[in-house]
Amino acid sequence: EVQLVESGGGLVQPGGSLRLSCAASGITLSQFWMTWVRQAPEKGLEWVANIKQDGHETYYLDSVKGRFTISRDNAKNSIYLQMNSLRGDDTAVYYCCLWGGGALDHWGQGTRVTVSS
Amino acid sequence: EVVLTQSPATLSLSPGETATLSCRASQSVNRYLAWYQQKPGQAPRFLIYDTSVRAAGTPARFSGSGSGTDFTLTISSLEPEDFAVYYCQQRIRWPPGGLTFGGGTKVEIK
Repeated sequence: EVQLVESGGGLVQPGGSLRLSCAASGITLSQFWMTWVRQAPEKGLEWVANIKQDGHETYYLDSVKGRFTISRDNAKNSIYLQMNSLRGDDTAVYYCCLWGGGALDHWGQGTRVTVSS
Repeated sequence: EVVLTQSPATLSLSPGETATLSCRASQSVNRYLAWYQQKPGQAPRFLIYDTSVRAAGTPARFSGSGSGTDFTLTISSLEPEDFAVYYCQQRIRWPPGGLTFGGGTKVEIK
C-alpha cells in the first residue's frame, strides 16, 4: 500500500520559516514527479510546487516563488518544502502528492500550517 | 493561467439519483482534465483522469465526459458514500505551468 506521510507543520509567526517533509512507503518516489498542494481553511485546492524525478526541474506557484523551495532526497524516499517569509495567506493544510502521469494519484493526509502572530 | 469554474456550487440530491457536475475551462485544456473527491477531514481522492479514464478502484457509476473547455462528471445512482466535494483539475501546461483546480461542487444529501 502506498503511503505518503507529511510532517513539519505548525504555528509560525509572519515572516518565519518552516520545513515540511513527506516520507513515502510502498512506492519508490524516484520514479515520479512529486507535488505539494495546499488547501486554505474552508477553501479549495491550490497547486504549490512540483519537482522532477531527479530534482533538476522545479516549478512554483507565482505567489510562492522566491519564498518556497521544493527538494527531494530519493535515497530517503522523501520530498521537502522549505517555506520562508511566511505570510497569513500561506495558512493551509499542505498535501504531498505523487503525480502518476495523468493526475495526482496519491495524497498524504496533510500537515497544517498556521501563520499568525 | 487557465481558470476552472465548477457549477453548481452545491447540488442537493437523494441517494439513488444522478448527479451531474460541470467544469468549464477559460481556454482549451484538450482532454487533460481530472476529477477528485474530498470528504470532510480527509485528503482528496483521485477518481478520473484525462476526462474519462477511471482510476483503479473508482466505481463504474462515476463517468467523465467532455473536451476542450466543457467537462462533466456524472455520478449515476448516488450511494451514501458519494456525498462529498468534487474538484476538477487541469494539466494543459504541466509541468512548468503546474496545475489548477476548480472551486469545487458539494454534493449534499437532500
